[in-house]
Amino acid sequence: DGGITQSPKYLFRKEGQNVTLSCEQNLNHDAMYWYRQDPGQGLRLIYYSQIVNDFQKGDIAEGYSVSREKKESFPLTVTSAQKNPTAFYLCASLLGEVDTGELFFGEGSRLTVL
Amino acid sequence: QQPVQSPQAVILREGEDAVINCSSSKALYSVHWYRQKHGEAPVFLMILLKGGEQKGHDKISASFNEKKQQSSLYLTASQLSYSGTYFCGTGVNTGNQFYFGTGTSLTVIP
Repeated sequence: DGGITQSPKYLFRKEGQNVTLSCEQNLNHDAMYWYRQDPGQGLRLIYYSQIVNDFQKGDIAEGYSVSREKKESFPLTVTSAQKNPTAFYLCASLLGEVDTGELFFGEGSRLTVL
Repeated sequence: QQPVQSPQAVILREGEDAVINCSSSKALYSVHWYRQKHGEAPVFLMILLKGGEQKGHDKISASFNEKKQQSSLYLTASQLSYSGTYFCGTGVNTGNQFYFGTGTSLTVIP
């Protein structure tokens, strides 16, 4: 079945540690996105990538890093520089063009910093 | 960049209607609508393109006024399954960025 797989689903981290959230898709989509969602709030864009070896910052990229070495994979690293990393993280890929297409989401990763 | 939605939250009884509004300070080329159930990922509902074409999804429909940079989602005869958070979204085609609105929490009660 085609889709987007995020792992881990739940992650606990101590302050000062970097963590990497995995996002893999087998939909053959070019563009991929990372969003952060805080309780009761909307989805804010962290990073996006149009093609392999290319990625751009969204509105809240500080404290995060990404890579796009393969079309299928777009991992997100939450670094120790991110001041308030506890949140729900969603990865998505785009079918079609951004103004006429559709985003497909993974099930999300919930990160809690202890 | 983020479109603004109103209301922030609404509670309905089954069978009642609701309207959710989405407004952008930037030009909208298209508007997408997504619904997110609690603890789950958002799911695509529909897309509206320039020209004001209204598209429907069962008893959920929407309109798009590109001059006013606004879109509205209409939920008719609401069902319990309509509960969730609704997001509008828009793409910026100069870079493939995609932004979601602030969200509207909708709760349908028996």
